[in-house]
Amino acid sequence: EDQVTQSPEALRLQEGESSSLNCSYTVSGLRGLFWYRQDPGKGPEFLFTLYSAGEEKEKERLKATLTKKESFLHITAPKPEDSATYLCAVYMEYGNKLVFGAGTILRVKS
Amino acid sequence: DGGITQSPKYLFRKEGQNVTLSCEQNLNHDAMYWYRQDPGQGLRLIYYSQIVNDFQKGDIAEGYSVSREKKESFPLTVTSAQKNPTAFYLCASSLGHRGYQPQHFGDGTRLSIL
Repeated sequence: EDQVTQSPEALRLQEGESSSLNCSYTVSGLRGLFWYRQDPGKGPEFLFTLYSAGEEKEKERLKATLTKKESFLHITAPKPEDSATYLCAVYMEYGNKLVFGAGTILRVKS
Repeated sequence: DGGITQSPKYLFRKEGQNVTLSCEQNLNHDAMYWYRQDPGQGLRLIYYSQIVNDFQKGDIAEGYSVSREKKESFPLTVTSAQKNPTAFYLCASSLGHRGYQPQHFGDGTRLSIL
């Protein structure tokens, strides 16, 4: 069965304490991996697309990387405003759809 | 500003009632989607549409219906056949229905049972 698993489920960091979120997948026919940020009561906001192993994308304090089996979202020197749920989704050409992970809830305390 | 507008933000359904959630986009996107989000679970696809007057069932279409009469609009009806409708419903759109284009989301409608 095609699956996308995100870990940890929740993460608490102090402001400035760098860390990484993980997204592992067991889908066949991967055609793209997407990272989203979701604030409470809002829709997901698109962050990055990664298409092939070895690819990296950066935006401010966030950096996404991709291997053949997983992706990491690295957060460098986070600030309280980075607190949100981060969602990972994998696009499968078979079935032509996105499969979402359950998300990682990030809390950054000042 | 271009974007996706969902309304209402909150909706309450009585027993045996059908309710319709609105989704409008002005991004000139061809593809539109409806997802359901439950606590602790990933988003699950209800229906999607690649072009006007065409739509396909997703993974959890039972108890839902959609229409796509205009490119900008993709309303979702939650019918009385959906026995567990309480959830956060998200509408999305993308330039095309291929994996290379990211989906962009509205801010959701929270549906509850009265």
